[in-house]
Amino acid sequence: SQQGEEDPQALSIQEGENATMNCSYKTSINNLQWYRQNSGRGLVHLILIRSNEREKHSGRLRVTLDTSKKSSSLLITASRAADTASYFCATVAIGGGSQGNLIFGKGTKLSVKP
Amino acid sequence: DTGVSQNPRHKITKRGQNVTFRCDPISEHNRLYWYRQTLGQGPEFLTYFQNEAQLEKSRLLSDRFSAERPKGSFSTLEIQRTEQGDSAMYLCASAPLSGVADTQYFGPGTRLTVL
Repeated sequence: SQQGEEDPQALSIQEGENATMNCSYKTSINNLQWYRQNSGRGLVHLILIRSNEREKHSGRLRVTLDTSKKSSSLLITASRAADTASYFCATVAIGGGSQGNLIFGKGTKLSVKP
Repeated sequence: DTGVSQNPRHKITKRGQNVTFRCDPISEHNRLYWYRQTLGQGPEFLTYFQNEAQLEKSRLLSDRFSAERPKGSFSTLEIQRTEQGDSAMYLCASAPLSGVADTQYFGPGTRLTVL
């Protein structure tokens, strides 16, 4: 079953604006990762934040993690039309014989209009 | 680094037929995962290989599904007696052995349509 939910399910913004997507999860985690998927394609890893980290940056991406609320957010600054894609958060559970398989949310579909 | 490749990219089959998909991981990666993604959903884990050993299987992997990684390199996923509910994107991902919880590298997927 899915680990949690991304919010919003769909987001439409103008080029240059910032896009914020949220993710909630259910279990204790080792880390949380964000992936991007262009329509009909495979997933591309964007950023990984470990459970003992609160914030991480990579280029125009900023990720936060609040383990007390079991939530994370992904901020894309100064968005471009090329950022149009679906964005998924994924977690790796702690213990339970986990072999590192990712548990994904349902994704946020981002549309950036030029 | 040629990335993870999957073949075929698209497969259309009739209900009841068998299909087989292939995944070629990044060459030095010991870990290989299969996921299934239906329309509008995130990927769901199917099975995991560490080298040639299949170490974990999801309850989603019914007995019509079988996966192999015979020499610890490429992997195949076979679906027997396909059903319309099997229509989905099948994704393969690989990762190095160090750090069980680290980044996975995904292939482009095989889109299966069962008529």
